[in-house]
Amino acid sequence: GQNIDQPTEMTATEGAIVQINCTYQTSGFNGLFWYQQHAGEAPTFLSYNVLDGLEEKGRFSSFLSRSKGYSYLLLKELQMKDSASYLCAVNDDYKLSFGAGTTVTVRA
Amino acid sequence: IAGITQAPTSQILAAGRRMTLRCTQDMRHNAMYWYRQDLGLGLRLIHYSNTAGTTGKGEVPDGYSVSRANTDDFPLTLASAVPSQTSVYFCASSEEASGANVLTFGAGSRLTVL
Repeated sequence: GQNIDQPTEMTATEGAIVQINCTYQTSGFNGLFWYQQHAGEAPTFLSYNVLDGLEEKGRFSSFLSRSKGYSYLLLKELQMKDSASYLCAVNDDYKLSFGAGTTVTVRA
Repeated sequence: IAGITQAPTSQILAAGRRMTLRCTQDMRHNAMYWYRQDLGLGLRLIHYSNTAGTTGKGEVPDGYSVSRANTDDFPLTLASAVPSQTSVYFCASSEEASGANVLTFGAGSRLTVL
């Protein structure tokens, strides 16, 4: 079975940094993904980690520790448009299982 | 514009009725998926297809069926809709069923079963 946990909600101020944690316990592991989903829209791909360490992509970075079953998504220099849900997903047997998502609200 | 097209965008359905949600992609992706998204539960996999002619069951397949007659189309059928199937349904595709399979999602179909 799959168990993917992430906080339900987070609030931060424009220009700040927010870190969204994700822990997982899955029967298999072929990589960890982060997706962004704005309200009423489809999820869109943000990042992919399969090896331990940090992957940086502009203002967004994602970290993975396979031994700890842990990942985080770091959002820097927050902008109002970053208000969205962030979904952690684990590739198990070449299918993605998703956490419930973390809703990030950016305040002016 | 290449991508995934889902239809209908929104539908209200009486319980017991049959309903097919359509999904078409023009990216020549081999793998396709159907997810449902419910508040507090996130995206849950209903059925998937790794390649045309094959299908498999996901986490919540009961009450749903799919077919994959060709690469482009992956319809989802509710044989006899029940209120618990009220949800937003997302179709997705990826180039291959692999470790690095980045999913592209359709815009979703909002289904309400009364």
